[in-house]
Amino acid sequence: KQEVTQIPAALSVPEGENLVLNCSFTDSAIYNLQWFRQDPGKGLTSLLLIQSSQREQTSGRLNASLDKSSGRSTLYIAASQPGDSATYLCAVYSGNTPLVFGKGTRLSVIA
Amino acid sequence: GAGVSQSPRYKVAKRGQDVALRCDPISGHVSLFWYQQALGQGPEFLTYFQNEAQLDKSGLPSDRFFAERPEGSVSTLKIQRTQQEDSAVYLCASSLLGSNQPQHFGDGTRLSIL
Repeated sequence: KQEVTQIPAALSVPEGENLVLNCSFTDSAIYNLQWFRQDPGKGLTSLLLIQSSQREQTSGRLNASLDKSSGRSTLYIAASQPGDSATYLCAVYSGNTPLVFGKGTRLSVIA
Repeated sequence: GAGVSQSPRYKVAKRGQDVALRCDPISGHVSLFWYQQALGQGPEFLTYFQNEAQLDKSGLPSDRFFAERPEGSVSTLKIQRTQQEDSAVYLCASSLLGSNQPQHFGDGTRLSIL
């Protein structure tokens, strides 16, 4: 059974710092991996989707990498801003199963 | 509509009552998913539709949970004889086709069972 773990569970950084969020998964036979953002009381917003054949995806200040063989992904946020404060969730899709989510990392960027 | 719409946003019910939660997916999206999110946890899969066909309901926690999408568009998640452990946020998502494409989420329905 696929399990997704996110470290750290919570993170607080001063504005302007670069930061890395980690995601690991137990079964490397995945089709894709997605990073989502969730604001309090809101649904999930898809940030980046990496197909299993890709090693990274970039969108603005966000860069996500995927090392399928080791079961790891990282989300890099450059020059963090208070508006980046949210919970970041990682989810993997393995083809014959639905999306499996981690518990998320709760990020606070302090002005 | 522009995004996935869920109603109601909040629902309070007494234990034992039946509830119905509605999801309006993005127009043209074939796939529709329901998730349950407990406080401090990631969403957990409940069920998946492709058009009107329910292809996977392996995540439904008990036979008190029932979902339908009769015309391949709007979906309803029904919970019968609610219990306190049903309290959670219920999220709906849609995608063009399948899980290999980005899923677009609604803001969820926060269900509280007293």
